[in-house]
Order: sequence, then C-alpha cells, then structure tokens
Amino acid sequence: GQNIDQPTEMTATEGAIVQINCTYQTSGFNGLFWYQQHAGEAPTFLSYNVLDGLEEKGRFSSFLSRSKGYSYLLLKELQMKDSASYLCAVRDTTGFQKLVFGTGTRLLVSP
Amino acid sequence: EAQVTQNPRYLITVTGKKLTVTCSQNMNHEYMSWYRQDPGLGLRQIYYSMNVEVTDKGDVPEGYKVSRKEKRNFPLILESPSPNQTSLYFCASRAIGGYSNQPQHFGDGTRLSIL
Repeated sequence: GQNIDQPTEMTATEGAIVQINCTYQTSGFNGLFWYQQHAGEAPTFLSYNVLDGLEEKGRFSSFLSRSKGYSYLLLKELQMKDSASYLCAVRDTTGFQKLVFGTGTRLLVSP
Repeated sequence: EAQVTQNPRYLITVTGKKLTVTCSQNMNHEYMSWYRQDPGLGLRQIYYSMNVEVTDKGDVPEGYKVSRKEKRNFPLILESPSPNQTSLYFCASRAIGGYSNQPQHFGDGTRLSIL
C-alpha cells in the first residue's frame, strides 16, 4: 500500500526555525519531493532527495532517511510569506513513477 | 516562459452537462497528469499520459476521460458531471528523460463546482 503522513497544521513565529516531518510507506521508492502551495494556488517545487542525507537550498533544507521512511523539511529565518501548505510527495516505481502526495502541512507564521 | 496552462480557471455548472478542462504545456514534456485536490485528502491522481496516444488510469479515474492527441495538450473530460466531482483540479507535466529528479510543473488550477 501507499501511505504518507504529515502533521496537519503547525504554527511558528517570524524569524524562527520550523521542521515539518514526513513519514512514508510506499510500494516503491524513487525519490521524495517537497512542494510549497499557497492557498488556492499551484504547488511549486522546493526540493528533491533520493539519497540519504541533507540537501540545503538557501533558507530551506530537506533531509531523507530511506531506512526509516522519513523526511523533514527545515525552514530557517521564517518570513510571513512562508505561510503556506507544504506537501511531501514520494515518487513511486509503479504507474510510470507517479507522485504519491501526503495531505500537506499547513504552516502559519505569525509576527 | 515555461508554463502549464489550464482553462477555465473557475466553472460552475449543473449535473449531467458535459464539460472539458483544457491543459497545455510548452516545455515539450512527455509526461502529463491530472489531479484533484480535496480538503483532508491531498492531491490524488486521476489519469496520466506518458506520451501521445498513451494514457492510463490513476487512483481516482471514475467519471473522467482524457485524451492525448498532441504532445502539448491533455484535456480532462467529464461526460456527465456529478456533485462529488466538485473539486480543485490541477494539470501537471514533467520530462521523463534523464534523471528521476525532474519535478512536476503544475498549472494554476481549475475550481469546478457541480450543482
């Protein structure tokens, strides 16, 4: 089966650091993506991990542990514009490598 | 500018009236896909296409049809829409050659309300 779990909602303060966790169980694994989605808008690509370890991209970093079926997205120096939903998605090895999405974590950044 | 374009952006219609949501991409991507997004359920794949004339069902294909006659276009067809198809729909595309880290590019979404 396929199952991706993320917290439903998180809150944080401007300037702080927040970590959004994602655990997954899929029939196949060919990489994990993080997307950002502002309300009513299209998801936009943030990061990709296929090997274990940390990938850093400016204020955003993403970590993967394949043996634990676990990833996190780390957001530093939070800004108000970071208030959005963050979607964890696993690229499966079936269905021509389809993306299986979690339900998303809504992050609210307050002043 | 590289983009995926969906039309219409918003549509309110009635049960049973056939409708088509168009999707076009200008990146020469082979892979295209349709998703619906519902509160608490996340993005779920409806249909996908690996190339012209090659389509297959995703996780929630019931009540939908697609076609891929040209590489750039991938319309979603609701032959007889019902209220449970009220949702936010996204079209996406990506390249399939090269590395598996090719991200999907999403259109701006189509909000459908079926009364």
